[in-house]
Amino acid sequence: KAGVTQTPRYLIKTRGQQVTLSCSPISGHRSVSWYQQTPGQGLQFLFEYFSETQRNKGNFPGRFSGRQFSNSRSEMNVSTLELGDSALYLCASSLGSRASLDTQYFGPGTRLTVL
Amino acid sequence: KNEVEQSPQNLTAQEGEFITINCSYSVGISALHWLQQHPGGGIVSLFMLSSGKKKHGRLIATINIQEKHSSLHITASHPRDSAVYICAVKAGQFYFGTGTSLTVIP
Repeated sequence: KAGVTQTPRYLIKTRGQQVTLSCSPISGHRSVSWYQQTPGQGLQFLFEYFSETQRNKGNFPGRFSGRQFSNSRSEMNVSTLELGDSALYLCASSLGSRASLDTQYFGPGTRLTVL
Repeated sequence: KNEVEQSPQNLTAQEGEFITINCSYSVGISALHWLQQHPGGGIVSLFMLSSGKKKHGRLIATINIQEKHSSLHITASHPRDSAVYICAVKAGQFYFGTGTSLTVIP
């Protein structure tokens, strides 16, 4: 089976722009979670989706949004980019409805740089 | 206040040594995960624990729900074990420790 894929792998944007990142889960996986990783804050949870529904959300401002499609693919969007949004954005998929109880499989991440 | 605390932050060991990484958490959880991240960013899930103990090869993970504490042990450490090890818990959302950077010297 193919692993979790994320596109694009690298992205450079300027402050004020918006960006959309994409995640394709492992075939058959229905749960997708998104994370932000920075040197200063480490890993932080953004969202969790199952069957097109957001199940949990982390403590990020409303500029961060996401969605999941009927084929389980997911996108996240960041509007009005700030310098502090520069980070590695990771997506993980799992089989069932509760990511806490399933093994998570991580994608390679999208490295976003905001200038 | 951090919901998840890991120790030590950095660890250097000689090849063959027994290694322990600790994780304490302050929230009620449904499960605890141990993750491994190699240089370059790729993250691999090592264990998911809700009680007791699990073993995969040279890696052993334990959890004590009453004490809100988990440990990751590596027996007979090898240079390929050099990575950052991250503890994560789910309490509604996921909370992460800051990671333990392990270097195993040949």
